Amino acid sequence: GAVVSQHPSRVICKSGTSVKIECRSLDFQATTMFWYRQFPKQSLMLMATSNEGSKATYEQGVEKDKFLINHASLTLSTLTVTSAHPEDSSFYICSAYIPRGTEAFFGQGTRLTVV
Amino acid sequence: QKEVEQNSGPLSVPEGAIASLNCTYSDRGSQSFFWYRQYSGKSPELIMSIYSNGDKEDGRFTAQLNKASQYVSLLIRDSQPSDSATYLCAVSPTGGGNKLTFGTGTQLKVEL
Repeated sequence: GAVVSQHPSRVICKSGTSVKIECRSLDFQATTMFWYRQFPKQSLMLMATSNEGSKATYEQGVEKDKFLINHASLTLSTLTVTSAHPEDSSFYICSAYIPRGTEAFFGQGTRLTVV
Repeated sequence: QKEVEQNSGPLSVPEGAIASLNCTYSDRGSQSFFWYRQYSGKSPELIMSIYSNGDKEDGRFTAQLNKASQYVSLLIRDSQPSDSATYLCAVSPTGGGNKLTFGTGTQLKVEL
């Protein structure tokens, strides 16, 4: 079945540094991928829609210069958290749809801790 | 105003009982509805999808949709301890394509 793989699963970084998170569709091509963020005891909030070969579309309130998204191929989207601060500590999750599919498949998620 | 609302729980049911999870949404034009299960520290896993009014059954799970009432529910029959998790209701809003709006989730505890 369709699998979305996300790496790393956990990362700890120092405040002010940047962290890159990868999201791969393993057995299908995904022209669009979605990036969500989930704080403890809260819901998943859509951050941005990653579009292969074009700029990402960010949701209101999400800083595009802080959360850089690159979707350079049909199987890979990356999210880079730049100049990370402790308040960026969260669970980041990507998702994708198989072609003509109607159900989202999620990556394993990345637990980011900024110290 | 929240777009997708769920009771946060926890909802406690004894093993073997029926667990009933509820969700309401504000966008009347929403077309697609999903239930995801999320274990602590893990990403969501799709349990059920439903697109038309009525019931949809898959094994121990039944999803119910009432678009007139803007209400979707999930029934879990013969609840097992392994069903203990947070259940997220997700809705694809009008014109939103594949974007999903999630509720905050209901924590279910199945007790021995």
